[in-house]
Amino acid sequence: AQTVTQSQPEMSVQEAETVTLSCTYDTSENNYYLFWYKQPPSRQMILVIRQEAYKQQNATENRFSVNFQKAAKSFSLKISDSQLGDTAMYFCAFMKRSGNTPLVFGKGTRLSVIA
Amino acid sequence: GAGVSQSPSNKVTEKGKDVELRCDPISGHTALYWYRQSLGQGLEFLIYFQGNSAPDKSGLPSDRFSAERTGGSVSTLTIQRTQQEDSAVYLCASSLAGGDSRVHGYTFGSGTRLTVV
Repeated sequence: AQTVTQSQPEMSVQEAETVTLSCTYDTSENNYYLFWYKQPPSRQMILVIRQEAYKQQNATENRFSVNFQKAAKSFSLKISDSQLGDTAMYFCAFMKRSGNTPLVFGKGTRLSVIA
Repeated sequence: GAGVSQSPSNKVTEKGKDVELRCDPISGHTALYWYRQSLGQGLEFLIYFQGNSAPDKSGLPSDRFSAERTGGSVSTLTIQRTQQEDSAVYLCASSLAGGDSRVHGYTFGSGTRLTVV
């Protein structure tokens, strides 16, 4: 079974600064997908960024980028130029490439952006 | 619809009562998922529907929990004889089938916050 670990329950960052959220996972699979979701107070989960394990290049989406280290099974999220609207829970998630297994989530990191 | 719709948004119930939570997925999405989010915990998988296949019920925590999906669209999660530990946010998500879900991820609703008193 796959597990996802987020070791930072809470983090804070000053507005305009950069912050990195950590995520590690455990799997015996070689092909899989990794995701970061954002959950603002509205509770609706929003997909931030995704990474395909067979791609070495790290994914980027505007101010969001990942550092994917397959051998270390690490998938951290970097948020640059943090904005107040980035305040939310952030969840790391894993999905196998084969079969129809649902997303497996970590316990989340609560990020507060401070003005 | 334009998004995944869940109702009610909030529900307070007395211990021992049954509750039904509803999820209306995005039209055309064949896969539907239920997750539970307890305080301080991540999203715990409950059940997964894919088209006409038998649902994956491997995440249901007890036989008090059940779910159905009628006509491949709307789903209802039922909790019988509710307990205080059932208090949580119940999130529903839908996706296109198979490989598309890996590309686009899931679309989530805003959840139902269930409080058992």
